[in-house]
Amino acid sequence: GESVGLHLPTLSVQEGDNSIINCAYSNSASDYFIWYKQESGKGPQFIIDIRSNMDKRQGQRVTVLLNKTVKHLSLQIAATQPGDSAVYFCAEGDAGGTSYGKLTFGQGTILTVHP
Amino acid sequence: DTEVTQTPKHLVMGMTNKKSLKCEQHMGHRAMYWYKQKAKKPPELMFVYSYEKLSINESVPSRFSPECPNSSLLNLHLHALQPEDSALYLCASSHDREGYEQYFGPGTRLTVT
Repeated sequence: GESVGLHLPTLSVQEGDNSIINCAYSNSASDYFIWYKQESGKGPQFIIDIRSNMDKRQGQRVTVLLNKTVKHLSLQIAATQPGDSAVYFCAEGDAGGTSYGKLTFGQGTILTVHP
Repeated sequence: DTEVTQTPKHLVMGMTNKKSLKCEQHMGHRAMYWYKQKAKKPPELMFVYSYEKLSINESVPSRFSPECPNSSLLNLHLHALQPEDSALYLCASSHDREGYEQYFGPGTRLTVT
C-alpha cells in the first residue's frame, strides 16, 4: 500500500501488478512535467514527460496523467518488475521568465517491487 | 553517447580545503546544471549554464563557485565548506534551456569533515 508521513511516501507492489505513483505540484504556471527514476547510487533517469496542453501521454509500460484542475500528476507503470524498484520523482518546469530551464522536484516516492 | 560523467565519485575534504568537482558530456548539449541532493530528499538546483554563460544561480553561497570552460565541461569549485554541505552533487545537461529532458550523471558523494 501507500503511506505518506514524515518519511518519503512508499509504495509496495507485487511483481506483475500495475503501480500508480502520485504527485501534487504547486505552481499553476508550470507548463512542463517530468517523471524521473533514481536507483540507489545513481543519478535520476528520465522516464517520461508531458506538456500542460496534454492530459495523458504513454510510453513503454508507463503512462503519465496530468490533471491541471487539481494540480495533480500521476505515473502508471504496467506489469511492474523488480527492476522498477527505485525512488520516483516528479518535476515541474516553467518556460516563462527568468525561471526558464529550472526544474523543481517533488519529494519522491519509494517504489518496492516484491518478486 | 548519452552519458554524463562526473569525477570524483567520492570526495572527503576538510573545511579548509579547496577541491573541484568535474562534469563532462559529449552529447552536444548547450545547457548544463549543478544540483545538490541530501539523503532521502529531491535534487535541488544550484546553477544553470546556458551556452557557457551562467543563467541561473539559486542564491548559492559563494563557497561554491561554478565554471564552464567549454560546452562539454562543467566544474564546481569548493572552498571553506561546512559539514552541512555534505551531500550528493549531481551534474545534468540538456539540449538547451528549452530542453527540460535533463540527463544526469551519477553524482559525486561529498563529505565535509
